Amino acid sequence: DTGVSQNPRHKITKRGQNVTFRCDPISEHNRLYWYRQTLGQGPEFLTYFQNEAQLEKSRLLSDRFSAERPKGSFSTLEIQRTEQGDSAMYLCASTITGTGLSNEKLFFGSGTQLSVL
Amino acid sequence: DAKTTQPNSMESNEEEPVHLPCNHSTISGTDYIHWYRQLPSQGPEYVIHGLTSNVNNRMASLAIAEDRKSSTLILHRATLRDAAVYYCIHSKGAQKLVFGQGTRLTINP
Repeated sequence: DTGVSQNPRHKITKRGQNVTFRCDPISEHNRLYWYRQTLGQGPEFLTYFQNEAQLEKSRLLSDRFSAERPKGSFSTLEIQRTEQGDSAMYLCASTITGTGLSNEKLFFGSGTQLSVL
Repeated sequence: DAKTTQPNSMESNEEEPVHLPCNHSTISGTDYIHWYRQLPSQGPEYVIHGLTSNVNNRMASLAIAEDRKSSTLILHRATLRDAAVYYCIHSKGAQKLVFGQGTRLTINP
């Protein structure tokens, strides 16, 4: 169990550029979440996947944001035309479902810190 | 969205017990109570969760009120490594956990 891996750890970009982050969940986990966290706040839910299907998107997720999980394994989160307000930590988490609610817990990666200049 | 209320911050001394309270008055009968913590520069980390009965694991204990409208996370003997933001959440399983601002715990040596 190597845990949830996120790359890159840090990304600095200029306003208007596109960025893409990658998340590799724990291998047998069928559910994958993306969260965003700004300084001093708790993580905010963005979207989640059950296998390759994107089941829910937050109202926070503008049309500049898109997430994919093409083969039900790794996931990417792309932000187009970045704005300074997109600066945040982007967290990925995974879990396995179908073994009972009492077993469900999220495993988080260390996040990708995005700075938009 | 599921709402919990926690103190913004708490302080304790090393090697002493810490009791972190949480109110979740809107909890439904099938929601679990989850606690996660976040150390500096890391993603949140699972601590413990429970439904009705008190729960113990190697990290902490969870005491759940009889009416389930509040709970307390207990760290039996705090260490400096327990300094973190602690989040209390209620949800069905791990579905779309909604984090509040949590309690920032400071441990004094």
